[in-house]
Amino acid sequence: EIVLTQSPGTLSLSPGERATLSCRASQSVGSNFLTWYQQKPGQAPRFLIYATSTRATGIPDRFSGSGSGTDFTLTISRLDPEDFAVYYCQQYGSSSWTFGQGTKVEIK
Amino acid sequence: QVQLVESGGGVVQPGRSLRLSCAASGFSFSSHGMHWVRQTPGKGLEWVANIWHDGSNKNYVDSVRGRFTITRDNSKNTVDLQMNSLRAEDTAMYFCVRDASYFGSGTYFGFFDHWGQGTLVTVSS
Repeated sequence: EIVLTQSPGTLSLSPGERATLSCRASQSVGSNFLTWYQQKPGQAPRFLIYATSTRATGIPDRFSGSGSGTDFTLTISRLDPEDFAVYYCQQYGSSSWTFGQGTKVEIK
Repeated sequence: QVQLVESGGGVVQPGRSLRLSCAASGFSFSSHGMHWVRQTPGKGLEWVANIWHDGSNKNYVDSVRGRFTITRDNSKNTVDLQMNSLRAEDTAMYFCVRDASYFGSGTYFGFFDHWGQGTLVTVSS
């Protein structure tokens, strides 16, 4: 099973600042198989970016994904008040799907 | 629009059974694989099980294999999770989730594009 480790656990930033979230895998992940989700309190997660860098329909271009192999990054270029939430990375491999433990982006 | 509505959660004693059900609508159910994903405050999100679009293949996370069984009925657009020998560590919110890829699409991306609102399972004596 591939373990995903996200860092930092919590990111305290102000609106308008840039957020950089890391997701590191214990083994190489295919670039088609790395996805990022956003979750707000009381809601189910929603996917933001799939295949490492492809934004879902309706996701603003301030969200971008990058990376390969074992190191992946979600960047929010300028934080909007609605972006404060928990973000999870997720991978697929060998008929198994795993999530990182999440990064909380909170208002400073 | 796509809707996934879970039911069947509740409080159950350790060692007992519970059956979760998910009613799907708004899409071609028989074309998509389906999953159950659970979430706890301590362990975060954990994929539990999946079933292929036609029910021909199923996979489970190690911690539930042999205790949980996923099934689907494409005539009723439902997917169920039978949970036996429940343990305290199975306590979680359980989400019914649609696989984003569909049969015949040609490329598999391995992610989940629609989630239900979840049903809470509490295993406690």
